[in-house]
Amino acid sequence: NAGVTQTPKFQVLKTGQSMTLQCAQDMNHEYMSWYRQDPGMGLRLIHYSVGAGITDQGEVPNGYNVSRSTTEDFPLRLLSAAPSQTSVYFCASSYSAGVSYNEQFFGPGTRLTVL
Amino acid sequence: SQKIEQNSEALNIQEGKTATLTCNYTNYSPAYLQWYRQDPGRGPVFLLLIRENEKEKRKERLKVTFDTTLKQSLFHITASQPADSATYLCALTYSGYSTLTFGKGTMLLVSP
Repeated sequence: NAGVTQTPKFQVLKTGQSMTLQCAQDMNHEYMSWYRQDPGMGLRLIHYSVGAGITDQGEVPNGYNVSRSTTEDFPLRLLSAAPSQTSVYFCASSYSAGVSYNEQFFGPGTRLTVL
Repeated sequence: SQKIEQNSEALNIQEGKTATLTCNYTNYSPAYLQWYRQDPGRGPVFLLLIRENEKEKRKERLKVTFDTTLKQSLFHITASQPADSATYLCALTYSGYSTLTFGKGTMLLVSP
């Protein structure tokens, strides 16, 4: 199993550009989520999904869109990049929607810089 | 809203000693508390989970305690090794909720 994969590893964008961060898992996990990690701020939840076709907002959803058309994939779209979105982005998955009692499997992260 | 506090200062200890990291929270007690390890440039890796009705959980050299009166969890690494050097994150969640809330993490440095 590859686990949770994320592409790209690094990305530089200009303000106003859009892009999609890819996330895939091959463990047949129901639950997937996106976090951003900034120095001194810890991991903050952007969006999450408890199953295909179902998504919900986390703590910091503004400026980001998600969709979950398959169990395996959970892409994160930046609609119009801003310097405040410079961060490291992590995708995570867990076996079931009962995230409280299931360990989260994290991807390797995408380091995004917005100029 | 729930606030989670982990020591922002790095913890420096000598190899062989026991490292103890703290996770404090405000407001009501979570149903579950998880601990993760994160190495530089990598995603967090799950270590242990403890439920609110459990006082203690062990896994090899790791031990987690959960005190709902003090609103605190302690994470212990016994016989620490330089390879244990990393940032350790605690995360809380509540029954019926589908989200985890993470602390900012504490860096542990184990010197030989």
